[in-house]
Amino acid sequence: AQKVTQAQTEISVVEKEDVTLDCVYETRDTTYYLFWYKQPPSGELVFLIRRNSFDEQNEISGRYSWNFQKSTSSFNFTITASQVVDSAVYFCALSVSGGFKTIFGAGTRLFVKA
Amino acid sequence: GAGVSQSPSNKVTEKGKDVELRCDPISGHTALYWYRQSLGQGLEFLIYFQGNSAPDKSGLPSDRFSAERTGGSVSTLTIQRTQQEDSAVYLCASSYDRREAFFGQGTRLTVV
Repeated sequence: AQKVTQAQTEISVVEKEDVTLDCVYETRDTTYYLFWYKQPPSGELVFLIRRNSFDEQNEISGRYSWNFQKSTSSFNFTITASQVVDSAVYFCALSVSGGFKTIFGAGTRLFVKA
Repeated sequence: GAGVSQSPSNKVTEKGKDVELRCDPISGHTALYWYRQSLGQGLEFLIYFQGNSAPDKSGLPSDRFSAERTGGSVSTLTIQRTQQEDSAVYLCASSYDRREAFFGQGTRLTVV
């Protein structure tokens, strides 16, 4: 069975602080895909990144960076110099290659205060 | 259209009535998903369709829930004999192959 755990329910930071959102996944499959999505207060989920299990290179996109470590089954997301507009719920998700079923974590609600 | 379209955006229904929720995926996307999000909660997988393959219905919570996808495009999620615990936002998403999913705005269902 597949599982995604986001242990941090809520995080509150002050603008310009760095913040890391944790994601731990479980699967017995060797081929799988990991995702991060953002759900701002407006409600519509926005795709941030997709990573397959064979690509452990970390990725940076502007203020966003992702650290994928298969050894610890983690796919953590860091926002550098956070901004108020980063306030949202962030979801980590897992999809295995044998099907299209994508399992989401419970989400981490991030509050960035000015 | 440019994105995933869901209708209605809001639905209030009486307990025991049936409801139908509609999803128009992005043209050309082969996979279509339904999720449920209760207030302040994560996304609960309900069902997905991929091409002409049999749908994965493993997430449907009871036999009151069903979904179909006609012509590989539009999908309808039907909830029969609605209960108060069915109140939630129902999200539809579509994707091309195993790429990222694009989500609609959701249908907020309230059962009174």
